[in-house]
Amino acid sequence: GAGVSQTPSNKVTEKGKYVELRCDPISGHTALYWYRQSLGQGPEFLIYFQGTGAADDSGLPNDRFFAVRPEGSVSTLKIQRTERGDSAVYLCASSLTGGPQETQYFGPGTRLLVL
Amino acid sequence: GQSLEQPSEVTAVEGAIVQINCTYQTSGFYGLSWYQQHDGGAPTFLSYNGLDGLEETGRFSSFLSRSDSYGYLLLQELQMKDSASYFCAQGEPIIFGKGTRLHILP
Repeated sequence: GAGVSQTPSNKVTEKGKYVELRCDPISGHTALYWYRQSLGQGPEFLIYFQGTGAADDSGLPNDRFFAVRPEGSVSTLKIQRTERGDSAVYLCASSLTGGPQETQYFGPGTRLLVL
Repeated sequence: GQSLEQPSEVTAVEGAIVQINCTYQTSGFYGLSWYQQHDGGAPTFLSYNGLDGLEETGRFSSFLSRSDSYGYLLLQELQMKDSASYFCAQGEPIIFGKGTRLHILP
């Protein structure tokens, strides 16, 4: 079937605004991950969902960041009061059941630019 | 804590072999993974080593030595399309290295 998809592909916003980034994982994958990647860096873990629940949110940088996955499929990453430092590519990945040994399938990312 | 160290850049010639090293420090080890990422693209999985030794997948191989906290990715018969960044990763939650940018010369 289709791979992981993310929308929008690009998002430009102003400092202080609210943004929502969407991720559609591979159908049937119970594990879903959000990462943030800055230029020249590796993906930085933000949050991991197992089904509908956040199994690990230790990577969220502060309380402006929040993510949900209400039906265990689509997930939304929400950023409040955006700051210029939030500019990055936000990547979503899914895997069949979760766990560090499993292959993660990444989406194309959302490029967020905060002006 | 967890961290992974890998060279920032490597240059090799088309048709040659290149090795990208990765050393890690971790309080808990869950195996070492490798991902490839082309400019503007998404990371894609290449290989995983849960145990010591060599794993081979076509032109790509990956090696792990848990006693040395060390692994490497070996790319053979390099092609221009292999120009990309390569990340080692491990842990739970998974931590990625900063990546090695592979430049291939014709």
